[in-house]
Amino acid sequence: AQSVAQPEDQVNVAEGNPLTVKCTYSVSGNPYLFWYVQYPNRGLQFLLKYITGDNLVKGSYGFEAEFNKSQTSFHLKKPSALVSDSALYFCAAHRPGGGADGLTFGKGTHLIIQP
Amino acid sequence: DAGVIQSPRHEVTEMGQEVTLRCKPISGHNSLFWYRQTMMRGLELLIYFNNNVPIDDSGMPEDRFSAKMPNASFSTLKIQPSEPRDSAVYFCASSLVISGNTIYFGEGSWLTVV
Repeated sequence: AQSVAQPEDQVNVAEGNPLTVKCTYSVSGNPYLFWYVQYPNRGLQFLLKYITGDNLVKGSYGFEAEFNKSQTSFHLKKPSALVSDSALYFCAAHRPGGGADGLTFGKGTHLIIQP
Repeated sequence: DAGVIQSPRHEVTEMGQEVTLRCKPISGHNSLFWYRQTMMRGLELLIYFNNNVPIDDSGMPEDRFSAKMPNASFSTLKIQPSEPRDSAVYFCASSLVISGNTIYFGEGSWLTVV
């Protein structure tokens, strides 16, 4: 069975500091990996994805994520956090050829940026 | 593009009533998904359609739930009769193809059953 783990329910970071939101996956083959962000009372917004190629993927709002095949991880990062980055972040993995049921979401990580 | 459009945004209904949630996917997308989000279970896939055909409805919780997609630009999720435990946020999402392409979400329908 495939799974996506976000080991931290909540991450607290001071404004201006670098942030990391962790994600590991257990998916057969070479999965496609995604990050989404959900602001309060809003839908999920696409941030970035990894399909193939460069292990460092750049996305919206200054976020980036690093794919590490050996560690089966896809951590979300940002060099300098903003208070407006406070939101719920979801990692997702998609097994190629798996259909929609091959898209697995983690449980989400609340990111809180303190002024 | 207007994105995925859902209605109503908020609904409060009494137990036993019928609830119909509506979705207009992004034009040109051929896959449509219905998700449910709750604090307890997180994000759950209820059903998805490809080219208007239901492909997998194994996530639909019980027979009280049904979904239709009569054409490429419209889908409904119906709950009849509704129960308090159905209170959740229901998201519709769409994508161009299933494998590898980004899924885009609507703003959600916030359902409260009292």
